[in-house]
Amino acid sequence: GEDVEQSLFLSVREGDSSVINCTYTDSSSTYLYWYKQEPGAGLQLLTYIFSNMDMKQDQRLTVLLNKKDKHLSLRIADTQTGDSAIYFCAEVVSRDDKIIFGKGTRLHILP
Amino acid sequence: SQTIHQWPATLVQPVGSPLSLECTVEGTSNPNLYWYRQAAGRGLQLLFYSVGIGQISSEVPQNLSASRPQDRQFILSSKKLLLSDSGFYLCAWTGTSGDPYEQYFGPGTRLTVT
Repeated sequence: GEDVEQSLFLSVREGDSSVINCTYTDSSSTYLYWYKQEPGAGLQLLTYIFSNMDMKQDQRLTVLLNKKDKHLSLRIADTQTGDSAIYFCAEVVSRDDKIIFGKGTRLHILP
Repeated sequence: SQTIHQWPATLVQPVGSPLSLECTVEGTSNPNLYWYRQAAGRGLQLLFYSVGIGQISSEVPQNLSASRPQDRQFILSSKKLLLSDSGFYLCAWTGTSGDPYEQYFGPGTRLTVT
């Protein structure tokens, strides 16, 4: 079945870059997403990448997609305390409109 | 603009009691609707999704059920709650055209079963 895997925790010093990694299994995924969840809140879409792209940059965010290895990463440049949250990787299972989420990576910012 | 509502925001229920959580979407028509559960320290688990009125797909067999009585209304129910049903329940919707399956999430319901 479909599965999305992420590491559960990441600690980064303020000002450094954060890199959150994700692997997925459905090779027919058309879109891959990164969502952010702040404490006690719903999820907000940060960015997405279409499967025919290798890279997408949006201000401090860079998404890299390696389709061959089914690997997705999110890089946050100049990490700030406000970036402290849980980051979810997700893929679209296009045949039935499901979106499968990873378990989320909790990003902790060190002073 | 589209908005999504969930209520109640928090709920404390005893084991064995019934449950009804409601989700409504405004500003769009014929959305795909989803219920997720996020247990403490765990990820997001897809419970149900619906592509139309009366059409419900269940992802995880359990004592929960879902219904979609109207186009923009999605209800999560249980006849008898278990302790393991505690968690943060999120409703979400996606459009069927335009945006690339972007999911919009509601504010969530925090359910504690005692």
